[in-house]
Amino acid sequence: QVQLVESGGGVVQPGRSLRLSCAASGFTFRNYGMHWVRQAPGKGLEWVAIIWYDGSNKYYADSVKGRFTISRDNSKKTLYLQMNSLRAEDTAVYYCVRGGGVSDWYFDLWGRGTLVTVSS
Amino acid sequence: SYELTQSPSVSVSPGETASITCSGDKLGDKSACWYQQKPGQSPVLVIYQDTKRPSGIPERFSGSNSGNAATLTISGTQAMDEADYYCQAWDSSTAVFGGGTKLTVL
Repeated sequence: QVQLVESGGGVVQPGRSLRLSCAASGFTFRNYGMHWVRQAPGKGLEWVAIIWYDGSNKYYADSVKGRFTISRDNSKKTLYLQMNSLRAEDTAVYYCVRGGGVSDWYFDLWGRGTLVTVSS
Repeated sequence: SYELTQSPSVSVSPGETASITCSGDKLGDKSACWYQQKPGQSPVLVIYQDTKRPSGIPERFSGSNSGNAATLTISGTQAMDEADYYCQAWDSSTAVFGGGTKLTVL
């Protein structure tokens, strides 16, 4: 079925790195822009990053710019988020999200999320 | 940076109409979306491009967007509609979410 499955979350110390993965199935992955959206415990949604369908463009939230890198492998139908120099405020559930539309994307398919906890 | 503002909470009686508002500078010039999130679950898209409903979303959900505000309207609200609702729009290649509104069905 159509789904996104995240993996790679866990507990990490401040300043360390972590890589999240998202496996897509049930749709033509290479046709869609993909996003990461996060949600800190008990808080609202925060968009993190977008990558174009072909990987040609990437944009980031100011809060992660220079520390996080979004990438994709269309042959493996997989999205990634490399997170470096992690901070306590990066603690959140990270959702892999498919972008519908052409430019003003809407988030039409969400994974179940993977929890990242940054703590010493 | 661009901001979207939502009231923290809205209450409605079953069968009544709930209106949830999202405000932002010239929001009507942008495309607004709405997401529903129930406790322990991932968000679900309920309105996109201001007024469109994805397949599977009940007709009681509708949206509008004009001026500085977008509105999500739930007609004939049911107990199952109790959830957090988030608006979202794009500005300068950045997605922005509102802070969320908790809808309580009393």
